[in-house]
Amino acid sequence: KAGVTQTPRYLIKTRGQQVTLSCSPISGHRSVSWYQQTPGQGLQFLFEYFSETQRNKGNFPGRFSGRQFSNSRSEMNVSTLELGDSALYLCASSFVRSGVSSYEQYFGPGTRLTVT
Amino acid sequence: DAKTTQPPSMDCAEGRAANLPCNHSTISGNEYVYWYRQIHSQGPQYIIHGLKNNETNEMASLIITEDRKSSTLILPHATLRDTAVYYCIVRVAGNRDDKIIFGKGTRLHILP
Repeated sequence: KAGVTQTPRYLIKTRGQQVTLSCSPISGHRSVSWYQQTPGQGLQFLFEYFSETQRNKGNFPGRFSGRQFSNSRSEMNVSTLELGDSALYLCASSFVRSGVSSYEQYFGPGTRLTVT
Repeated sequence: DAKTTQPPSMDCAEGRAANLPCNHSTISGNEYVYWYRQIHSQGPQYIIHGLKNNETNEMASLIITEDRKSSTLILPHATLRDTAVYYCIVRVAGNRDDKIIFGKGTRLHILP
């Protein structure tokens, strides 16, 4: 079974631009979560989507948004990029039965975003 | 905030057992203990989880104290490929709140 895939793997943008990152979960996994990892703040939860609906949200500004499609693929968007948005963005998927997530999440390799 | 406390770093000789401690003194009765690890430049990898009984799988063993206030992850025969940051997490499993709160983790160095 293929793992979680994220595209692109690397991205360079300039301040003020916007960016869209993509995540394809493991087949059959309907929950997708996004995390931001920086050297200073570590791994931080952004949001989680299930059945095309945002189910949980972390403490990030509204510039960070996401969506999920009917095939469970997810995208996250960051508008008006700031230097501090430079980070590794990780996507994780998990299996859901009757609305309840399974015990473990499976992470993708991440997208490394550099804002200059 | 993370509900766990881990040492920032540890060393272990290759071939020996690596014992990684974790304190979670405020753990609730319905919270599980999870361990993930992150090898450099990769996404975190699930290792094991448990509620109150000791658990073992092909990767590791998890020992949880009787009062559940601490636990130890054991890698029985550490190899150089086990060099990574190990995260101990407490989380209510099987509910709608699927976010994981990561702490700083323990950076494990396997020494040849």
